[in-house]
Amino acid sequence: GQNIDQPTEMTATEGAIVQINCTYQTSGFNGLFWYQQHAGEAPTFLSYNVLDGLEEKGRFSSFLSRSKGYSYLLLKELQMKDSASYLCAVRDEGKAGGSYIPTFGRGTSLIVHP
Amino acid sequence: SAVISQKPSRDICQRGTSLTIQCQVDSQVTMMFWYRQQPGQSLTLIATANQGSEATYESGFVIDKFPISRPNLTFSTLTVSNMSPEDSSIYLCSVVEGTHGYTFGSGTRLTVV
Repeated sequence: GQNIDQPTEMTATEGAIVQINCTYQTSGFNGLFWYQQHAGEAPTFLSYNVLDGLEEKGRFSSFLSRSKGYSYLLLKELQMKDSASYLCAVRDEGKAGGSYIPTFGRGTSLIVHP
Repeated sequence: SAVISQKPSRDICQRGTSLTIQCQVDSQVTMMFWYRQQPGQSLTLIATANQGSEATYESGFVIDKFPISRPNLTFSTLTVSNMSPEDSSIYLCSVVEGTHGYTFGSGTRLTVV
C-alpha cells in the first residue's frame, strides 16, 4: 500500500508562487495525481505524472522524482480562487484485478490572501 | 470528459434508516468507484463497482453495510444501511477516463442524526 504525506495547511499571497510537497511510499508505483477540491465540491483533476520530471500546464506545474518518492505542485501567479484543498494521490500496482486505483493523501488546504 | 450526475446532493437521515445514492454517467464505463470523505480527511475508497459482477470492497467496508448495484455500464447505486452518526460524511462516485484522470460526481453530503 501507500503512505502519503503532505502538509495540512499553507498560506500565500495573491500573485505569489507556492509549492505544495507530497512524499509517498509505495510497493509498485504506477502514477501520481494532483487534484483540486474547493470546499463543498468534488475533486477536479489537475495533473498526472508517471515519469520523472516537470509537467507544466498553464499556471500549474507538477514535478515527480520516483527515486525519492517525492512530488510537488507549483502554483504561479496565485489568485484568490486558488484557495482550495490540493490532494496528492498515488496509484500502485497490485490492486485486486489490476485496477490501479489511486490512494489519496489528506490534502493541503491552501489559503490565498490579498 | 465524462459527466457524472450524482444524487441526492445532501440529506439528513435518522439513525437506523438507509439511504441510496445514485450516480449516472453520460458514457459507458467499465468500473465505477465509491469513496467516502469524512470531515477533514482524505478520500477513502469503499468499493469498486463492476457491471455484471459483485462489487469489490476495501478493507473495513462490507456489503451488508454498503450494498452496491451496477445494473449497466452507465449507472450505479450505493446504499448506506442502518445508519449511525459515524456514517455522516460526503460520499462520491468516480470513474476512470483513459489511462489516467479520474472524474468525480458532485458528492452526497450525508448527516445522520
